[in-house]
Amino acid sequence: EAGVAQSPRYKIIEKRQSVAFWCNPISGHATLYWYQQILGQGPKLLIQFQNNGVVDDSQLPKDRFSAERLKGVDSTLKIQPAKLEDSAVYLCASSLGPGGNYEQYFGPGTRLTVT
Amino acid sequence: TQLLEQSPQFLSIQEGENLTVYCNSSSVFSSLQWYRQEPGEGPVLLVTVVTGGEVKKLKRLTFQFGDARKDSSLHITAAQTGDTGLYLCAGVVDSWGKLQFGAGTQVVVTP
Repeated sequence: EAGVAQSPRYKIIEKRQSVAFWCNPISGHATLYWYQQILGQGPKLLIQFQNNGVVDDSQLPKDRFSAERLKGVDSTLKIQPAKLEDSAVYLCASSLGPGGNYEQYFGPGTRLTVT
Repeated sequence: TQLLEQSPQFLSIQEGENLTVYCNSSSVFSSLQWYRQEPGEGPVLLVTVVTGGEVKKLKRLTFQFGDARKDSSLHITAAQTGDTGLYLCAGVVDSWGKLQFGAGTQVVVTP
């Protein structure tokens, strides 16, 4: 079974530039999550999709971050414009969805450096 | 926000020693998960504990969920270098499966 795929693995941009991350979840997984993990901290949920609908985006900085999952499969997270404090690893995860054991499967992440 | 505090933040031990890491909260969780994260990778689920007082064993790893479902511990017996990693606890906070993660305990096992 293929795991969660993310690209790119690394990205370096200057502040005020824009960047986009892509995620392809495990086939059949209805729920998709984007997390931000700052060095020395645990992952923080940015947005959670159930199929192509948003379940929770309460911690997404909506003035600069956006995400979509148009066909209920893969997803894109965008930052525009980036700030220095956005430097972090962005993790995508997927799960079967409600009614399961809530096990989340994570991709390898994208390490973003904003200079 | 239901906060999870993990302790210690960092633990360095030699191969063969035992270690325990803790995950504490003032909130009750329906279930709690433990993940291990290695450098350059995403977290990988080790175990889910659901019932207060539950003890689960995974080879040399023993996980315990507190009676009140507010805290948990992970004990590793005879640590090996392959146990090195960031250990994260996460509480399930709603029926959609949203997780609240702790900051993690970095464990380093040296030969």
